[in-house]
Amino acid sequence: GPKVLQIPSHQIIDMGQMVTLNCDPVSNHLYFYWYKQILGQQMEFLVNFYNGKVMEKSKLFKDQFSVERPDGSYFTLKIQPTALEDSAVYFCASSSQGAGTEVFFGKGTRLTVV
Amino acid sequence: QQQVRQSPQSLTVWEGETAILNCSYENSAFDYFPWYQQFPGEGPALLIAIRSVSDKKEDGRFTIFFNKREKKLSLHITDSQPGDSATYFCAASDSGSWQLIFGSGTQLTVMP
Repeated sequence: GPKVLQIPSHQIIDMGQMVTLNCDPVSNHLYFYWYKQILGQQMEFLVNFYNGKVMEKSKLFKDQFSVERPDGSYFTLKIQPTALEDSAVYFCASSSQGAGTEVFFGKGTRLTVV
Repeated sequence: QQQVRQSPQSLTVWEGETAILNCSYENSAFDYFPWYQQFPGEGPALLIAIRSVSDKKEDGRFTIFFNKREKKLSLHITDSQPGDSATYFCAASDSGSWQLIFGSGTQLTVMP
């Protein structure tokens, strides 16, 4: 089936540094998402991005977070500066249509902030 | 406050049995309920979904039963196979929101 690719699969970063998580969504999809999963807890919505804009974000999407998809390339999540509590698995997802339709997830990037 | 709850946390059944995974929710506005299957090292994959206008959705061995009045739903996996061993997430959303609200998952093990 359609694949969402996430690069890298695991990243270790020093607290306070910047990190960029990359996502290659399904090719004809227009809606992009980031979810965060702390070990042992449920997956939680961070943000939705469509047509170059953030459409909806949760309270987990702190000011240090930003998303973009310049010129149809990777959909990225940038965290600057990182904090210890940002350690989690970040899942990228995409869908061809909006709310209430099938969302395809990547395998996740495990971010460890030390 | 957890808006979507799943039980049990883990479940073991024998091959050929029916596994029943439960889910309940708080928000009456939720109208779309997908179930995702996740294998270790993989991302969640959509297994089956139901909308609140229906009370049952069937796809092969997988069936969702939905009770809107009680805000409960369940996923039944008939003739369970060892390959069904995975974590199953119930999720919910309403038509006015982009986000899926996930439960904490049920880890299913099917013994051969």
